[in-house]
Amino acid sequence: QVQLVESGGGLVKPGGSLRLSCAASGFTFSDYYMSWMRQAPGKGLECVSYISSSGSYTNYADSVKGRFTISRDNAKNSLYLQMNSLRAEDTAVYYCARSLGSYLRLNYWGQGTLVTVSS
Amino acid sequence: QSALTQPASVSGSPGQSITISCTGTSSDVGGYNYVSWYQQHPGEAPKLVIYDVSNRPSGVSNRFSGSKSGNTASLTISGLQAEDEADYYCSSHTSSNSVIFGGGTKLTVL
Repeated sequence: QVQLVESGGGLVKPGGSLRLSCAASGFTFSDYYMSWMRQAPGKGLECVSYISSSGSYTNYADSVKGRFTISRDNAKNSLYLQMNSLRAEDTAVYYCARSLGSYLRLNYWGQGTLVTVSS
Repeated sequence: QSALTQPASVSGSPGQSITISCTGTSSDVGGYNYVSWYQQHPGEAPKLVIYDVSNRPSGVSNRFSGSKSGNTASLTISGLQAEDEADYYCSSHTSSNSVIFGGGTKLTVL
């Protein structure tokens, strides 16, 4: 069965960096667009970034452009999100999600990893 | 780009039907048939219940249905059950090749 397991979250000071990872299993990872979504405490969902199946195309929310970098390693069935220059407003649960095709219809989600940016 | 507009809350009694609206613009909901709906129970990850306006993923109850007219999409849940109580989010593909979400609707089953 499809499994997505995020890791790498935690407490970081403003201006700091974190790298999130998502380990995928149960499907042919290299066939699917993948994404990072986030949800601030008590708030709605936001698309942070997504990447094409080959990794050749990436897209970022304006709020993270220039600070976050999405990448993938199809040989390792893994998705990553490098987060730099973190701000308090980046505090959220970050979900790794698999898309149905190239338009983001997210039919599998991980359990999420909490990122807290605070001094 | 502003979030899609959803009512903050809706409610219904068991067995009734409810409809949640999701209003956007011609640059998102009105311009593409890539509207999705997600159900989220407290403490859990979202679950896809409708995609491409009206398609149900395998395993999702046929009590869930979707439609779209102009810039507004709708999710209808018929035969309400207690387990339907959750937050519901719509999303749409956008002209900037991204996805935008609604603010979420809390469904209460009375």
